[in-house]
Amino acid sequence: DTGVSQDPRHKITKRGQNVTFRCDPISEHNRLYWYRQTLGQGPEFLTYFQNEAQLEKSRLLSDRFSAERPKGSFSTLEIQRTEQGDSAMYLCASSLDRVNSPLHFGNGTRLTVT
Amino acid sequence: AQSVAQPEDQVNVAEGNPLTVKCTYSVSGNPYLFWYVQYPNRGLQFLLKYITGDNLVKGSYGFEAEFNKSQTSFHLKKPSALVSDSALYFCAVRDAAFSGSARQLTFGSGTQLTVLP
Repeated sequence: DTGVSQDPRHKITKRGQNVTFRCDPISEHNRLYWYRQTLGQGPEFLTYFQNEAQLEKSRLLSDRFSAERPKGSFSTLEIQRTEQGDSAMYLCASSLDRVNSPLHFGNGTRLTVT
Repeated sequence: AQSVAQPEDQVNVAEGNPLTVKCTYSVSGNPYLFWYVQYPNRGLQFLLKYITGDNLVKGSYGFEAEFNKSQTSFHLKKPSALVSDSALYFCAVRDAAFSGSARQLTFGSGTQLTVLP
């Protein structure tokens, strides 16, 4: 079962450093989503790709955050000049190109900014 | 704007008893509704969805959910709880119009279900 894969699983970084996370979606899924989840909360939408096009970005996605999906397959999420408030679980999900398709989530990357 | 409310942070139930996890939603159009489960340090797993048709939908692991349009609710149920059902449960909604900001799923804050042996 080749589900959604995220790397790394955990990342500890010092404030001010840049970090990059990778997501490999299910191969036949052309929609890819990034969500952020903090302790005790539900996932919050960050951004969404259809193939290589980034169609929507949340206001949560400050200018320190950038996401790419260069060939419509894997995606990267970069956070520049990390802050302690960036500490969270970053979840990637993918789905088929149908509005009622469920999202399939990876196991997430847990970021800790010290 | 679309939103989801899960009024209970915590639900405790004895093993073998029926369980209900509550969810209410708000969308401007027709809703697509989903339930997900999350185990510690893992991503979310899809349980079931309501798109249209029968108000009672059945999903994975014996779970089902009842869509009630007049009460704008989509409660998750299981006739007989197992200890292994203990996890964090999330309700999510998407507007069927799927335009603008409604492209993404909006999640509730989650309900921690604990099934006691």
